[in-house]
Amino acid sequence: QPVLTQSSSASASLGSSVKFTCTLSNGHSRYIIVWHQQQPGKAPRYLMKVEGSGTYNRGSGVPDRFSGSSSGADHYLTISNLQSEDEADYYCETWDSSTRVFGGGTKLSVL
Amino acid sequence: QLQLQESGPGLVKPSETLSLTCTVSGGSISSSTYYWGWIRQPPGKGLEWIGSIYYSGSTHYNPSLKSRVTISVDTSKNQFSLKLTSVTAADTAVYYCARLPNNDYWGQGTLVTVSS
Repeated sequence: QPVLTQSSSASASLGSSVKFTCTLSNGHSRYIIVWHQQQPGKAPRYLMKVEGSGTYNRGSGVPDRFSGSSSGADHYLTISNLQSEDEADYYCETWDSSTRVFGGGTKLSVL
Repeated sequence: QLQLQESGPGLVKPSETLSLTCTVSGGSISSSTYYWGWIRQPPGKGLEWIGSIYYSGSTHYNPSLKSRVTISVDTSKNQFSLKLTSVTAADTAVYYCARLPNNDYWGQGTLVTVSS
C-alpha cells in the first residue's frame, strides 16, 4: 500500500510562487497523483492529475497558475502569482488496485 | 454539470449505525468510466478514504474500517450509500461522497456527530 508524505505547512507572499511536495513511499514512484484544494469551511476541490512521467491535466475551471510535475518519488504542485484565495489546505492522493490514500495535507498561508 | 449530494442523519448515538446516501445528478452512476467513493474528515484533521464502489456493486474498503463498513449502489435511483456500524465518537466527521478515480467531483459534505 502506498504512503504519501506532505509538509504540514507553507507560507508565501501575494504574487509570488509556492511549490508543494508529495513524496510517494518506496516502490511507488510511477503512481498517478491527484491534487485537491480545500478552502476553509468548504469541500475539497479537484485541481489536477499528475502522471509518473510528469504530465499533468488540470480540472475544469482551474486557473493555469496551477501546474504539476514529478521527479522520481516526488510529485509537485506549483502555484504562481499567489492570490489571497489560494490560502487553503492542499492534499495529494493516490490509489492502487484495491486501496486509496491521502497525504496529510499542507496548510498554505498567503502573507 | 455533475452534482453529488449527501443526505442522512446528522446525529447518531454511540454503538448504532451511521447511514448516508449520495444522490448523483447530471450524469449516470452506471458509467463504466467512473466509480464512486466515500471520504471523511474528522474536525480539524485530514481526509480519510472510507471505500469505493462500481456500478456493478464491486467494492473496496479501507482496511482500518473494513469490518464495520458496507457501501451499496442503487442504479435505478442514481444513488450509492454508506453504512458504518458500531460507531464511536471517533467516527464524528464530515462525510463526503465523490466521483472516482480522480475524485474530480465532490459533494458538499455532511457533518455526522456521534453522541448520546
